[in-house]
Amino acid sequence: DQQVKQNSPSLSVQEGRISILNCDYTNSMFDYFLWYKKYPAEGPTFLISISSIKDKNEDGRFTVFLNKSAKHLSLHIVPSQPGDSAVYFCAASALGNYQLIWGAGTKLIIKP
Amino acid sequence: KAGVTQTPRYLIKTRGQQVTLSCSPISGHRSVSWYQQTPGQGLQFLFEYFSETQRNKGNFPGRFSGRQFSNSRSEMNVSTLELGDSALYLCASSLVRRGQSPLHFGNGTRLTVT
Repeated sequence: DQQVKQNSPSLSVQEGRISILNCDYTNSMFDYFLWYKKYPAEGPTFLISISSIKDKNEDGRFTVFLNKSAKHLSLHIVPSQPGDSAVYFCAASALGNYQLIWGAGTKLIIKP
Repeated sequence: KAGVTQTPRYLIKTRGQQVTLSCSPISGHRSVSWYQQTPGQGLQFLFEYFSETQRNKGNFPGRFSGRQFSNSRSEMNVSTLELGDSALYLCASSLVRRGQSPLHFGNGTRLTVT
């Protein structure tokens, strides 16, 4: 049973426009969510996180939104840049549980 | 500060052999986790070590094992390799054992089993 789902394997966005990556989860005990970015032949790097007590967190061009009632989170990148082309993973953890549960990833392609 | 270092970067083995992968965490990080990444499967959690003890284990067969040394360096071992073990193996370290503590990943070891 996939507790964290990223239903779009890939997404193509024009440079300068907004990229929206989505993630759904099923476990209502999840209280912390993270986004990681991965380039080919490199390990994932931490991007941004959000606690379940918030519904929005911003860091520069990156904003994560959390909708707890819908068990849905999204990552917005504005404006999208060529260097944003990568695979994006969302991950979740439950209070008291040290293990992160990962989505399958979404490949973001920024077109010039 | 040096990042997480994984060696070797690439490995080619044949079925039935065994392999040992190495991971040096960021200095001061005591938690080391291992993940397997295969196309379309995301990151599958293998195990986590903290203070030389395995604290968590994912749903992998006993052929997959690991250990952590007193300097926090970690190794993982896969015995009796199968074709399906071909994957990118990622090691990650964190300062503390908390799901909210961001993981710092190495660049992985690409294992190919023929």
